[in-house]
Amino acid sequence: AQTVTQSQPEMSVQEAETVTLSCTYDTSESNYYLFWYKQPPSRQMILVIRQEAYKQQNATENRFSVNFQKAAKSFSLKISDSQLGDTAMYFCAFMPPGTYKYIFGTGTRLKVLA
Amino acid sequence: DTGVSQDPRHKITKRGQNVTFRCDPISEHNRLYWYRQTLGQGPEFLTYFQNEAQLEKSRLLSDRFSAERPKGSFSTLEIQRTEQGDSAMYLCASSRQTGENTEAFFGQGTRLTVV
Repeated sequence: AQTVTQSQPEMSVQEAETVTLSCTYDTSESNYYLFWYKQPPSRQMILVIRQEAYKQQNATENRFSVNFQKAAKSFSLKISDSQLGDTAMYFCAFMPPGTYKYIFGTGTRLKVLA
Repeated sequence: DTGVSQDPRHKITKRGQNVTFRCDPISEHNRLYWYRQTLGQGPEFLTYFQNEAQLEKSRLLSDRFSAERPKGSFSTLEIQRTEQGDSAMYLCASSRQTGENTEAFFGQGTRLTVV
């Protein structure tokens, strides 16, 4: 079965600092998609960043970047220059090839401290 | 475009009652998904529509659950004879079928409490 594991239930970081959220996954597929979604309190989930497994280059979106290690099945999210608005639940998600459904991890609650 | 809209935002019901939730996707999106999120867990896939066709259902979707998407626009999720274990946040998402586009846009969810 394909699974996604986020081993850090909660994390905190000082404003302007850098934080890394961990995610590992298990699959026998070679082509797939990986995502990080952000769920602010009482708000809908929004996509932070996406990585195609066939691309070796790590995806970046402004202050957000990933460290994608395909052999290790690891997909961590780095948030640079953390802002108070980054406070949210962060979900790592895996999308198997040929499907359009996400398999989510249990999430990491990130709190950015002023 | 106001994004994915879900109604109601909150629902409290007595065990054994039926409930129905509505999802209005982004207008040009032909794919629509339902997920369920319980406390401390990530969203779990329930079912998926492409236009009006329901293409996949999770084993989580028992016989008491039924989803429809008439005319490929809005969708409804009905739960019959609710049980306390049905208490959860029900999330709807939609996406557009274009090439490798895989991003789904989520609604704010309907929080169901069964008492």
